[in-house]
Amino acid sequence: KQEVTQIPAALSVPEGENLVLNCSFTDSAIYNLQWFRQDPGKGLTSLLLIQSSQREQTSGRLNASLDKSSGRSTLYIAASQPGDSATYLCAVFNAGNNRKLIWGLGTSLAVNP
Amino acid sequence: DAGVIQSPRHEVTEMGQEVTLRCKPISGHNSLFWYRQTMMRGLELLIYFNNNVPIDDSGMPEDRFSAKMPNASFSTLKIQPSEPRDSAVYFCASSLRTSGSYNEQFFGPGTRLTVL
Repeated sequence: KQEVTQIPAALSVPEGENLVLNCSFTDSAIYNLQWFRQDPGKGLTSLLLIQSSQREQTSGRLNASLDKSSGRSTLYIAASQPGDSATYLCAVFNAGNNRKLIWGLGTSLAVNP
Repeated sequence: DAGVIQSPRHEVTEMGQEVTLRCKPISGHNSLFWYRQTMMRGLELLIYFNNNVPIDDSGMPEDRFSAKMPNASFSTLKIQPSEPRDSAVYFCASSLRTSGSYNEQFFGPGTRLTVL
């Protein structure tokens, strides 16, 4: 059974720091991995999607990597800003019979001015 | 495009009452997903539809939960009777399923349900 774990559960950093959020998954049979952002009282916004054949994806100050064999992904945020404060969720889309998104519990990020 | 629309945004009800959550997917999308989010379990897929047909309802917790999609632009998730442990945020998402295994899902703002 696929399980997704995100570490740390919460993170507080001063503005301007570069930071890394971690995601691990137990079953490497995935089609892709996706990072989402969730703001309080709002839905989820997709940030980056990495196909299983890819190693990384970049969007602005965000860079996500994928090491499928070791079951790990990282989300790198460069030069963090207070507007980056949110919960970041990692989800993998399973291959095989159980084709659905399996979610981590998220990392709650606070970037302090 | 208005995105995925959910109503109500907040619902407070008493145990035993019927609760109906509503979702309007993005126009043109043919897949719809209902999720539940709690602090302890995170996001869980309850059910999803392709072309208005339920495909996988294995995540529906009990018979008290039911979902319908009478047409391409509307879906409901009903809980009857509701219990305090149903308190959670319920999200609806939609996607355009073409070829391949996965298409990006777009989420609504969610309905925060509190059952007293």
